[in-house]
Amino acid sequence: DIVMTQSPLSLPVTPGESASISCKSSQSLLFSNGYNYLDWYLQKPGQSPQLLIYLGSSRASGVPDRFSGSGSGTDFTLKISRVEAEDVGVYYCMQVLRTPYIFGQGTKLEIK
Amino acid sequence: QVTLKESGPALVKPTQTLTLTCTFSGFSLSTTGMRVSWIRQPPGKALEWLARIDWDDEKFYSTSLRTRLTISKDSSKNQVVLTMTNMDPVDTATYYCARMKGVGRLGGFDFWGQGTLVTVSS
Repeated sequence: DIVMTQSPLSLPVTPGESASISCKSSQSLLFSNGYNYLDWYLQKPGQSPQLLIYLGSSRASGVPDRFSGSGSGTDFTLKISRVEAEDVGVYYCMQVLRTPYIFGQGTKLEIK
Repeated sequence: QVTLKESGPALVKPTQTLTLTCTFSGFSLSTTGMRVSWIRQPPGKALEWLARIDWDDEKFYSTSLRTRLTISKDSSKNQVVLTMTNMDPVDTATYYCARMKGVGRLGGFDFWGQGTLVTVSS
């Protein structure tokens, strides 16, 4: 199975500042079609997860442009610019190149 | 609009078999590219993908749980069913179903159910 490693696991952020989360995979997630099969999700407290980014860098419908995904192969980053109070929760990366799909451990973003 | 909802027992005893149903609307699992997965989350822990079923009835399972899981669909009823045998207290978790669509370009789990908490205890 592909192993997914996120860092940091805890991320205190001051409102208005930017935040970055790293996600590394044990195998390349770059497919022959040029897409990276890596998704990002946010699980707000008490809610189901919601899709933020798919295929490494494509924003899901309704997701603010403050959220951006980048990276290729085995190293990926989720960047949140101008963090707001509503961004608190746990962020997960997930590889969807092949089954079994694997989530990262999660990164808990909190407001300072 | 697309909705998914999980249903099943809130409490099961150790060694019993769990059966969960995901009832969805707003899309057809007979449409090319449609897929439904089950994902679970133990209290306070990370998400864990369990199984996936596709429009063409292809099925995929978690490596560690494949011997205990069975996923099936009834497209006429818009339902996906997951069974997990030999339940143990460590299987206590919130179980979610979620939709993914796409062929080649997978669009992520774009819609999720609200989740159903299953507790395993005698």
